Amino acid sequence: GNSVTQMEGPVTLSEEAFLTINCTYTATGYPSLFWYVQYPGEGLQLLLKATKADDKGSNKGFEATYRKETTSFHLEKGSVQVSDSAVYFCALTDSSYKLIFGSGTRLLVRP
Amino acid sequence: DADVTQTPRNRITKTGKRIMLECSQTKGHDRMYWYRQDPGLGLRLIYYSFDVKDINKGEISDGYSVSRQAQAKFSLSLESAIPNQTALYFCATSAELGKSSTGELFFGEGSRLTVL
Repeated sequence: GNSVTQMEGPVTLSEEAFLTINCTYTATGYPSLFWYVQYPGEGLQLLLKATKADDKGSNKGFEATYRKETTSFHLEKGSVQVSDSAVYFCALTDSSYKLIFGSGTRLLVRP
Repeated sequence: DADVTQTPRNRITKTGKRIMLECSQTKGHDRMYWYRQDPGLGLRLIYYSFDVKDINKGEISDGYSVSRQAQAKFSLSLESAIPNQTALYFCATSAELGKSSTGELFFGEGSRLTVL
């Protein structure tokens, strides 16, 4: 079945460091891929998305490229800020268009 | 006001009690979902509804039931709560694919339930 695997956290970085959070997926067909972010005490909100192979989603300095050949959708940011501290979820749509989430990766950015 | 509103935001109850979590939305979406979040397990789908007359079980529906009272309202019930149902519960909505949507979900702020 369809599934999403994320790197385990927590990921702890200093401010202005480079961020990569790995995400790989297993799916039939051509799912859309998403990154959601959950700030403390809040619900999830969409960070970025990509709907077909080689698409790059970007938002707030974050980027992720849909790589069909490696079934990956890694999240990157060139210079993280303390305000980026949150839990990040990778997700895909299944054949009936429901979202399947990874287990989440907590990011902690220190000043 | 939030587009997706959940009530209550926090609830502590005892084993065996009946609990209802309510969700209402102003986004005009047909599709609504209930997810459960547990540490290290991400979000798991409990039930979903693609329109008012449609109810479907998700991957962890045992011990839960739902009611879609209207397009804008989708409630989750625990008929007899047990401690391992202690979790953070999220309601979400989405537009039907093809209506300028790629399946993006819009989430409420969550309902934290503790079962003692």
